[in-house]
Amino acid sequence: KNQVEQSPQSLIILEGKNCTLQCNYTVSPFSNLRWYKQDTGRGPVSLTIMTFSENTKSNGRYTATLDADTKQSSLHITASQLSDSASYICVVTVLMDSNYQLIWGAGTKLIIKP
Amino acid sequence: GAGVSQSPRYKVTKRGQDVALRCDPISGHVSLYWYRQALGQGPEFLTYFNYEAQQDKSGLPNDRFSAERPEGSISTLTIQRTEQRDSAMYRCASSFLASEVGAGELFFGEGSRLTVL
Repeated sequence: KNQVEQSPQSLIILEGKNCTLQCNYTVSPFSNLRWYKQDTGRGPVSLTIMTFSENTKSNGRYTATLDADTKQSSLHITASQLSDSASYICVVTVLMDSNYQLIWGAGTKLIIKP
Repeated sequence: GAGVSQSPRYKVTKRGQDVALRCDPISGHVSLYWYRQALGQGPEFLTYFNYEAQQDKSGLPNDRFSAERPEGSISTLTIQRTEQRDSAMYRCASSFLASEVGAGELFFGEGSRLTVL
């Protein structure tokens, strides 16, 4: 069964600190993996997209890694800011019946405290 | 338009009434997705379209839910005989790519929050 699991479910850190969010997936055949940031009450916004041949991709203070062998990804946030408080959702794309479908994780809720 | 537009932003209705939620995707975007999102959860897939063709409706909870995109642009998600469990945020997203070509970046609207009393 295609699944995407994220951990931790929620995380609270102090402003300025770093953190790492995890995503494990059981998806086949894998096409790509995305990380989205969703501010409270807003729609998700794409942070990174990685194919199986890419093992790291950065977007400012956000760095995503991908290990296609172990089917794990992480999102590292450096020098956190209050505006980083949001839910971070991992999404894996799978090719099924000649169409690409997105399998969504439940997200990690990140709270940055001053 | 500049972004994905959804209306109404908020809808309160009585149990048993029908509701129609509208999505106006980014101009030129081929695929359009409907999701439902409960508080604190990731989006739950409902259905999607390539152009005007509904490709997958396996996520629709039951036959009270339907969606159409007759001209390959604006889409309407209709819920008939609403029930309290239908209360949720309904989000629409669009992508430049058709799903058989690849899964392009999704751009989400602000959502329609439905409350069924």
